[in-house]
Amino acid sequence: EIVLTQSPGTLSLSPGERATLSCRASQSVSSSYLAWYQQKPGQAPRLLIYGASRRATGIPDRFSGSGSGTDFTLTISRLEPEDFAVYYCQQYGSSPGTFGQGTKVEIK
Amino acid sequence: EVQLVQSGAEVKKPGESLKISCKGSGYSFTSYWIGWVRQMPGKGLEWMGIIYPGDSDTRYSPSFQGQVTISADKSISTAYLQWSNLKASDTAMYYCARRQNDYGDYWGQGTLVTVSS
Repeated sequence: EIVLTQSPGTLSLSPGERATLSCRASQSVSSSYLAWYQQKPGQAPRLLIYGASRRATGIPDRFSGSGSGTDFTLTISRLEPEDFAVYYCQQYGSSPGTFGQGTKVEIK
Repeated sequence: EVQLVQSGAEVKKPGESLKISCKGSGYSFTSYWIGWVRQMPGKGLEWMGIIYPGDSDTRYSPSFQGQVTISADKSISTAYLQWSNLKASDTAMYYCARRQNDYGDYWGQGTLVTVSS
């Protein structure tokens, strides 16, 4: 089973700042089958990025994903108030897929 | 519009059985896998298993094999997650998600299951 480790656990930033979230896999993720989700309190997860770098429908372009192999990054270029949430990565190269433990982006 | 609507919150006692549902609409229900995800209180996300409603092909994550049963009724575009012997440790939020190439592109609103004596 591929284990995903996200860092940092918590990121304290101010609106307007840039957020960089990391997701590291215990082995190579085939074909960059890596997705990112956002989850706000009391809500279901929402797909942000799939295929490591492709934005899902309706996702603002301040969200971007990059990486390949074992190292992946989600970048939020300028944090908006609604972006403070928990973010999860998920690999889907080996079904049914595994999630990272999450990174919380909180207001500083 | 793609929608997944889950059944409401449940409160059960240990040892009881339970079946929760996830009804899809706005797309061809039989053409996409549906997955179930557990989120224990204050914790992260775990895929429990997946089902292809078109032919009911079902696969379980190793941690959940034998602990739950996933099924679907394509005639009413509904997937199910059931337990025959609930434990306190089954207390969690459960989400269904439509799987697009093995990631969840649309999610249900979640069903909170509380198991307590």
